[in-house]
Amino acid sequence: DTGVSQDPRHKITKRGQNVTFRCDPISEHNRLYWYRQTLGQGPEFLTYFQNEAQLEKSRLLSDRFSAERPKGSFSTLEIQRTEQGDSAMYLCASSLGTTLSPLHFGNGTRLTVT
Amino acid sequence: AQKVTQAQTEISVVEKEDVTLDCVYETRDTTYYLFWYKQPPSGELVFLIRRNSFDEQNEISGRYSWNFQKSTSSFNFTITASQVVDSAVYFCALSEARDTGRRALTFGSGTRLQVQP
Repeated sequence: DTGVSQDPRHKITKRGQNVTFRCDPISEHNRLYWYRQTLGQGPEFLTYFQNEAQLEKSRLLSDRFSAERPKGSFSTLEIQRTEQGDSAMYLCASSLGTTLSPLHFGNGTRLTVT
Repeated sequence: AQKVTQAQTEISVVEKEDVTLDCVYETRDTTYYLFWYKQPPSGELVFLIRRNSFDEQNEISGRYSWNFQKSTSSFNFTITASQVVDSAVYFCALSEARDTGRRALTFGSGTRLQVQP
C-alpha cells in the first residue's frame, strides 16, 4: 500500500494559464475525491468519482475546472484560465466502495497563481 | 445544510498536559457520521476515528478519547498526556447519510494544536 500519490507537490503559475494536477489513488480503491483547502480552512469538497464515473460536482467547481478519471484509475484535475483566487491546496482522497471505509488523503498539490 | 464548527483556532499546551478539542455540528439528518482527521505539517490528512449517529458510546484509543453527545451536537476529542508529536491541525468532519454513498465530508475550520516540550 503506497498511499495516495499527487503530482506535482507545488505549482506556481501566472494568472490566465492552464494547470493540470494528477492523483493516483490506492490501487484497490474505486472511489476518488478532490477537495480544495485554503489557508486556515478545512478542506472543501469539489467532486468525486466512482470508478470512471463522475457522480457529483460541488457548486465550487466552476466551468473553468474539469476532472477526469479515465479507466477508473488515476485522475486529473485541470484548471483553465487560472485566477488568483484559485491559489490553494488541492487534495485528492480515495476510499473503498463501502459505507464504512474512511477516506485516505494524499499530500496535496499546492497551487500559487501570481 | 450541514455545518461543523471548531471554535478553537489554536491551542498551545506543554507536553504531558491533557487537551480537549471541541467540535459542534449541525445537521437535519437523523443518520450521519462524524470524523476526526489530523493534518501534520507534511500536509497529509490522517484519519483518526469515525462514529455514526446511533452509537453514542465514547471511545478510547491509547492516549486519544472521543466524547460524542447528541444532546449538545458535540463530538469532542481529548488527548491525554500530550506529546510534541501531537502538534498538528485537527479537523472534525461530518457526512450526512444521504451523502454517505459519496462520502462528501463537510469539514470544520480546524484547530491548530501546538505542544511545547
